[in-house]
Amino acid sequence: EVQLVQSGAQVKKPGESLKISCKGFGYTFTNYWIGWVRQMPGKGLEWMGIIYPDDSDTRYNPSFQGRVTMSADKSIATAYLHWNSLKSSDTAMYYCARHRDRSWFDPWGQGTLVTVSS
Amino acid sequence: ETVLTQSPGVLSLSPGERATLSCRASQSVNSGYLCWYQQKPGQAPRLLISGASGRASGIPDRFSGSGSGTEFTLTISRLEAEDFAVYYCQQSGSSLYTFGQGTKLEIK
Repeated sequence: EVQLVQSGAQVKKPGESLKISCKGFGYTFTNYWIGWVRQMPGKGLEWMGIIYPDDSDTRYNPSFQGRVTMSADKSIATAYLHWNSLKSSDTAMYYCARHRDRSWFDPWGQGTLVTVSS
Repeated sequence: ETVLTQSPGVLSLSPGERATLSCRASQSVNSGYLCWYQQKPGQAPRLLISGASGRASGIPDRFSGSGSGTEFTLTISRLEAEDFAVYYCQQSGSSLYTFGQGTKLEIK
């Protein structure tokens, strides 16, 4: 079964750094992109960007570029989303999903809830 | 940026009825790059339709997608209780992928 498993919920203070993870199971991790999607409380889905784990090629939504960094370690089939300095406005659920280039996102991870509060 | 506008924002129907959800793009989208997702409360989104009309694995045949250019439609032929959720369209035809704002399908 193809599955993406994300790291657990995080509570952080403004200005702190954070890295969340997304581990793939049941498929060849390097053959598909991994996408990241933000969902703020009570809101819709926002595409943040995609990364190709085989060569770490990345494509960012300009709205998120410079705020987050996507990375991947293909040796352990894991993708990451990293913040250097969190803001309260980063409070949201973050999903990863397997992505076929210019096509679907499937399946999705269970989501990682990030709460940023002083 | 290709803006996707979904209508209606909220759709109130009864089980057994037919649901028609619309997704309008601000510029033409290659139908191969248009997908639909379902999201239930507290759950991650789930792929329903890819390439505008292709059902994903395990998706019941009461779900169908159609459309081209700037107008796309998701149809649920006979609503079941489990279908009441939020539905999103998404395009990957441009370098900046976008989602619609969602249609909430609620029980009348």
